[in-house]
Amino acid sequence: QQQVKQSPQSLIVQKGGISIINCAYENTAFDYFPWYQQFPGKGPALLIAIRPDVSEKKEGRFTISFNKSAKQFSLHIMDSQPGDSATYFCAAKGMDSSYKLIFGSGTRLLVRP
Amino acid sequence: DTEVTQTPKHLVMGMTNKKSLKCEQHMGHRAMYWYKQKAKKPPELMFVYSYEKLSINESVPSRFSPECPNSSLLNLHLHALQPEDSALYLCASSLAGGPGELFFGEGSRLTVL
Repeated sequence: QQQVKQSPQSLIVQKGGISIINCAYENTAFDYFPWYQQFPGKGPALLIAIRPDVSEKKEGRFTISFNKSAKQFSLHIMDSQPGDSATYFCAAKGMDSSYKLIFGSGTRLLVRP
Repeated sequence: DTEVTQTPKHLVMGMTNKKSLKCEQHMGHRAMYWYKQKAKKPPELMFVYSYEKLSINESVPSRFSPECPNSSLLNLHLHALQPEDSALYLCASSLAGGPGELFFGEGSRLTVL
């Protein structure tokens, strides 16, 4: 079944802390795993993405960890800042579909000053 | 220019009205998308155009009619909508061949009375 399960639904972190959002999938035919960040009143924007042949990808304070055998991937935000407060969506693309992303349900992150 | 521009930003319409949402991009992308997003939910794919041809229709009701006049423009014609169609409608674009990175507009917030 084409589904990506995301947790937690909401997350509150103190400034400077680490935010961790997890996603899990069942379909092994996914070949691309992006994370999108959405601020209120804006469209989603690509934050970082990974392919299944890589176990970790880091861009600045944002890191994706990918566990192919467990079919899980997670987003870590180091030194979280109030400006990181947004909704985060993980997603996955099937090998058989060039254009369709399966989105997770989203995580609302609040970083307290 | 890495923008996807959507107009109008807000639209209120009655159930008997006919209106259109417009989307424009000048990034040379040959794939364009319409997504629907309800509050606190992930974007749901509606339509995908690739090289100005409809590539994906996610079983969307015929009261939504997409149109891609050229490689830079995407329209969504609305007719006889229902109150449950009230949502944020997002346009996105990407390189042809898949959403390696989806560039989203800010959306058109539609209210159907």
